[in-house]
Amino acid sequence: ILNVEQSPQSLHVQEGDSTNFTCSFPSSNFYALHWYRWETAKSPEALFVMTLNGDEKKKGRISATLNTKEGYSYLYIKGSQPEDSATYLCASEMDSSYKLIFGSGTRLLVRP
Amino acid sequence: GAGVSQSPSNKVTEKGKDVELRCDPISGHTALYWYRQSLGQGLEFLIYFQGNSAPDKSGLPSDRFSAERTGGSVSTLTIQRTQQEDSAVYLCASSLSHMWSETQYFGPGTRLLVL
Repeated sequence: ILNVEQSPQSLHVQEGDSTNFTCSFPSSNFYALHWYRWETAKSPEALFVMTLNGDEKKKGRISATLNTKEGYSYLYIKGSQPEDSATYLCASEMDSSYKLIFGSGTRLLVRP
Repeated sequence: GAGVSQSPSNKVTEKGKDVELRCDPISGHTALYWYRQSLGQGLEFLIYFQGNSAPDKSGLPSDRFSAERTGGSVSTLTIQRTQQEDSAVYLCASSLSHMWSETQYFGPGTRLLVL
């Protein structure tokens, strides 16, 4: 069974706080790790696609790291803003080049 | 350019009825995927189309589910004799190709409620 786990399930922070969440995935037959942001009533938005062990990617105040040997990725948000409130999904590509196996997401709420 | 579009955005139906969900992928994208998210669950792969190749239907939960992609573009997901457990958000995605690490671009989804 291939399981992608995300923690925490939900997170409430104050505006200006920095935060991070975790995605863990099976490290065998790893192809790539995808991060998405999904705001209510909108399309999931692709944030990062990461493939190499030790890779680190950044987009504005959001960054992500990848450890393929131990099977985890961290997503960091620096100086959270209310508009960062969304569900953050990670998905692993394994064995095949197209099926994404998603975690259940981390729901972030940033209070003004 | 235009993103992935889906219709309808919301659908309420009665148990036992058939429903059709439509997906318009990004122009030029050869790969198209259907996923669904049931309450409290992660996104679950349903089916994948790539060009003229036979679709990968391995994620379809039962034979009441079927999908087609006409002319390599628009796709329709059909659920026959809907059940309450079919209630979910159905998401369509497309990508430029089927190569590994290719970004999949998602539509806004169809929220299906089976009463």
